[in-house]
Amino acid sequence: NAGVTQTPKFRILKIGQSMTLQCTQDMNHNYMYWYRQDPGMGLKLIYYSVGAGITDKGEVPNGYNVSRSTTEDFPLRLELAAPSQTSVYFCASNGDTYNSPLHFGNGTRLTVT
Amino acid sequence: AQTVTQSQPEMSVQEAETVTLSCTYDTSESDYYLFWYKQPPSRQMILVIRQEAYKQQNATENRFSVNFQKAAKSFSLKISDSQLGDAAMYFCAYRSGNAGNMLTFGGGTRLMVKP
Repeated sequence: NAGVTQTPKFRILKIGQSMTLQCTQDMNHNYMYWYRQDPGMGLKLIYYSVGAGITDKGEVPNGYNVSRSTTEDFPLRLELAAPSQTSVYFCASNGDTYNSPLHFGNGTRLTVT
Repeated sequence: AQTVTQSQPEMSVQEAETVTLSCTYDTSESDYYLFWYKQPPSRQMILVIRQEAYKQQNATENRFSVNFQKAAKSFSLKISDSQLGDAAMYFCAYRSGNAGNMLTFGGGTRLMVKP
């Protein structure tokens, strides 16, 4: 099983550029999430989705957008990149039961200069 | 909103010895789930252990066990017979049993293992 796949692994953006972080999972999970992890810190929730066509804001949504057109894919869009968005981004998914653990992608290290 | 606090930014342990990582959380709910995740330098997030709040028995996974004190809202992780491969960041996480499936993470504890 591939699990949760994120691309790219690394990216450098200039201030004001835009990009999309891709995330796909092959476990038929309804729940998907985007987290960011700043250096030496824990993970903060950006956006989440409880199923295709349904998304909602997390703790730190400003500067980001998401879509969920299929169960498998949950891309994260950065518009007008800012240095404050320099971080490691994790996509994750889990099944429908409350004790279902998160399955994480390997992360994307994004630097905005 | 729930908060998760890990009060130890860094811990160190001698190889083969035991170490305990602390985690406290704030919630008014009675139904919830708690997790410990390990993040080695590879950046991968790995589930270590999980605990359902309604279970009084502490969860155990091989060398890893928890001390779950519901009244005190405490969820510490004990690592026995520490190995060099245990060196990593460890994150405590909380999931509400009532409001969606998202996890709230603590700030992490960096564990160093001395040979």
